[in-house]
This record gives sequence, C-alpha cells and structure tokens, in this order.
Amino acid sequence: DAGVIQSPRHEVTEMGQEVTLRCKPISGHDYLFWYRQTMMRGLELLIYFNNNVPIDDSGMPEDRFSAKMPNASFSTLKIQPSEPRDSAVYFCASSLGQGAGSYGYTFGSGTRLTVV
Amino acid sequence: RKEVEQDPGPFNVPEGATVAFNCTYSNSASQSFFWYRQDCRKEPKLLMSVYSSGNEDGRFTAQLNRASQYISLLIRDSKLSDSATYLCVNSNFNKFYFGSGTKLNVKP
Repeated sequence: DAGVIQSPRHEVTEMGQEVTLRCKPISGHDYLFWYRQTMMRGLELLIYFNNNVPIDDSGMPEDRFSAKMPNASFSTLKIQPSEPRDSAVYFCASSLGQGAGSYGYTFGSGTRLTVV
Repeated sequence: RKEVEQDPGPFNVPEGATVAFNCTYSNSASQSFFWYRQDCRKEPKLLMSVYSSGNEDGRFTAQLNRASQYISLLIRDSKLSDSATYLCVNSNFNKFYFGSGTKLNVKP
C-alpha cells in the first residue's frame, strides 16, 4: 500500500501566485481530508469529502481557498492568490468510513508551503 | 474554548522513566478518541485508539475518563525513540479534533 501521496513536498512561491496542492488517497478510502498545520494554530481541518462530495468546508479560511475531488483517487487544494500568511504545512488524510473506528486517519507526508 | 486541550510541554525525561500525558476535551458527545504521534517535520501517525475500558499496547497505555472528560497516555520504560510530539484527538460525528500536542524529549 503506497499510503496517501501528496505533491509537491515543498513549494516556494511569490505572493499573489496561484498554488495547487495535490493528493492521492489510499485506494478504497471513502473520506478525504485537507488539514493545515502551523506552530500558532496546530492542525486545522480545512475541508473534507465523502465519496468525492465536499461535506464540510467551514474550515476554509476564505474565498482564496478552493478544493476539488474530481474522482476517488485525486484531490486538489488551490490557493489563489497566495499570501505570506498561507505559509504552513498542508496535510491530506484519508480514511475508510469516518475514521471513528480503530483505524483513524492516514496522513500524507504533507506539502510545506512558503509564500514570500 | 478549544475542543481539545493539551499541555504543550516539553516533558524532558531520562531513558527508562515513566511519563504520562493528559488531554481534556470539551464535548461530552465525543465518540472516539485517539493518540497520534508526530515526529519533527513528519506527518502525524496513529499511535493507538482509546477505548472506554482502557487499552494497552506494549509500553503504552491509554485511558478514557468520560466523567471528567479527559484521556491519558502512559509510556513506561521510555526510549530515546519515543521523543516526539503526541497529539490527542477526539471525534464527534464526522470531524476529528486535534490537540496542539505535547512534546516529549527522552534523554540518555
């Protein structure tokens, strides 16, 4: 099992540029989550999908952020335009069911975003 | 008020020591509880689920106290490799809430 795969691992971009983060969940997992982690705020849930449908995007900080899941094996998180305060590690996670069983979530390795 | 509160630490302990972390949660309707471990610059990884009756996995013991709304993690015979940040997690319906983590440093 390849696990949750995220790309790129690192991204450095200039303020105002569009950034697209990518995620491939574990095959067969029906839930996909996007989290952001900073020193100040810890892990914050941005949005999650069930069977490719966005269920709760209340954590998306503002309209500059958007996420899509066109199929069961791929999701993107887009920031347009990017700002320095978006600098963080962005994690994608997937789970079978809501994760409330014994298995929790499986996280990808994250994308470390730096906006200068 | 945060859903999950943890002491950020760091907890600095010698090898072989026993160390315990507590975590409190605010929602009495929380359904499931977990401990995750996160190494520096890595992703969080599931350490163990926490069951109502308490559960043990080798040197690690997790307890849940619903009346007082806290969970605990006990690590016996600490190893250098246990050095990490330990995240307390509870879930309520479809959402997981992560604590900010407790940092553990195990020293030789």
